[in-house]
Amino acid sequence: AQSVAQPEDQVNVAEGNPLTVKCTYSVSGNPYLFWYVQYPNRGLQFLLKYITGDNLVKGSYGFEAEFNKSQTSFHLKKPSALVSDSALYFCAVRDGGGGADGLTFGKGTHLIIQP
Amino acid sequence: NAGVTQTPKFRVLKTGQSMTLLCAQDMNHEYMYWYRQDPGMGLRLIHYSVGEGTTAKGEVPDGYNVSRLKKQNFLLGLESAAPSQTSVYFCASRGQGMNTEAFFGQGTRLTVV
Repeated sequence: AQSVAQPEDQVNVAEGNPLTVKCTYSVSGNPYLFWYVQYPNRGLQFLLKYITGDNLVKGSYGFEAEFNKSQTSFHLKKPSALVSDSALYFCAVRDGGGGADGLTFGKGTHLIIQP
Repeated sequence: NAGVTQTPKFRVLKTGQSMTLLCAQDMNHEYMYWYRQDPGMGLRLIHYSVGEGTTAKGEVPDGYNVSRLKKQNFLLGLESAAPSQTSVYFCASRGQGMNTEAFFGQGTRLTVV
């Protein structure tokens, strides 16, 4: 069965500093990996997805993610954080090895950017 | 650009009442999903559909039923609501291909008292 772990409930970063939100996954087949962001009282917005062969993926709002197959990780990064980046971030995986369709989500990480 | 639209946005039910949540998408997507979001638990898949007339169970299907009579609509039903079904419900859809991203609705906040 597929699973996603986001080990940090909350990440605090000062504005202008680089940020990392961690994600590790487990699948039986090829991983299809995604990051979503959720602002208060809103739905989930797509940020970026892993594309086979590209270990560094660029997405919306200056975010990028680094895929590491040996560590089964897909960490979200941004070189310089903005206060407006404060939100709830979800990592999700779809297992290319079969099983039920749909994304499996991590529990989410609250990102707080301090002015 | 409506995308994925959920109706209603808020609802309060009494225990034992029934209701239907409607999800409509205008992107001609084959795949549609219903998730529930609870604090500290992320999103969990309730039911999904891979095409018109098909439905399948997800991770937490008990107490819910679904129907996909038209490609653009995916209905989630609660036959006899329980307080444990108090949650925020999200509908999503996506196109063909394993690496296609899902598009989410704005959510329905349901409280069962």
